[in-house]
Amino acid sequence: DAGITQSPRHKVTETGTPVTLRCHQTENHRYMYWYRQDPGHGLRLIHYSYGVKDTDKGEVSDGYSVSRSKTEDFLLTLESATSSQTSVYFCAISEMGAEINQPQHFGDGTRLSIL
Amino acid sequence: QKEVEQDPGPLSVPEGAIVSLNCTYSNSAFQYFMWYRQYSRKGPELLMYTYSSGNKEDGRFTAQVDKSSKYISLFIRDSQPSDSATYLCAMSARNNFNKFYFGSGTKLNVKP
Repeated sequence: DAGITQSPRHKVTETGTPVTLRCHQTENHRYMYWYRQDPGHGLRLIHYSYGVKDTDKGEVSDGYSVSRSKTEDFLLTLESATSSQTSVYFCAISEMGAEINQPQHFGDGTRLSIL
Repeated sequence: QKEVEQDPGPLSVPEGAIVSLNCTYSNSAFQYFMWYRQYSRKGPELLMYTYSSGNKEDGRFTAQVDKSSKYISLFIRDSQPSDSATYLCAMSARNNFNKFYFGSGTKLNVKP
């Protein structure tokens, strides 16, 4: 199994509070991703990182920010949580091979409920 | 129109059946094709990874890619109750590290 740890695994919080989710990898992969998974929408990319301090937006980035100060850690922050951000959040990692793309590997997710 | 279309199911089969799961796509630039299995309350787990067209076999699983029809399939032989899960297809274009396109998943139930 790919060495990806997400924390916390479950969190319940109130609207308007800041929330930070952590993804930690032991594979030394360059690329890290944050997705959310919702019924009827599948996996949607929030933000991704292609190196330390190098990040970019995905398709549903509004209301989210990320930071990557070390290769192994990728943080997702909800600055002021809203009920629409209730979801399951997955971190993924991948590497770029010399000739071909490499697939993504996923953590086991963080189940976030915002009341 | 979504980039990747996948029937959500649910698909219910008896133990031992051959299962066929499918995805269609619209972007002819896709060259890398993946199948993931996702158990309830777990992350997607990579099952199969193929490049370009053709077949790839791994145990009871066979992945098939038909680029001319923009159609990919995953076959599961001798299905087991432990295969009950949601199966996601995914694909990407060459050197496009930041964009993987996922199907919404097909829920499979294998009855003992």
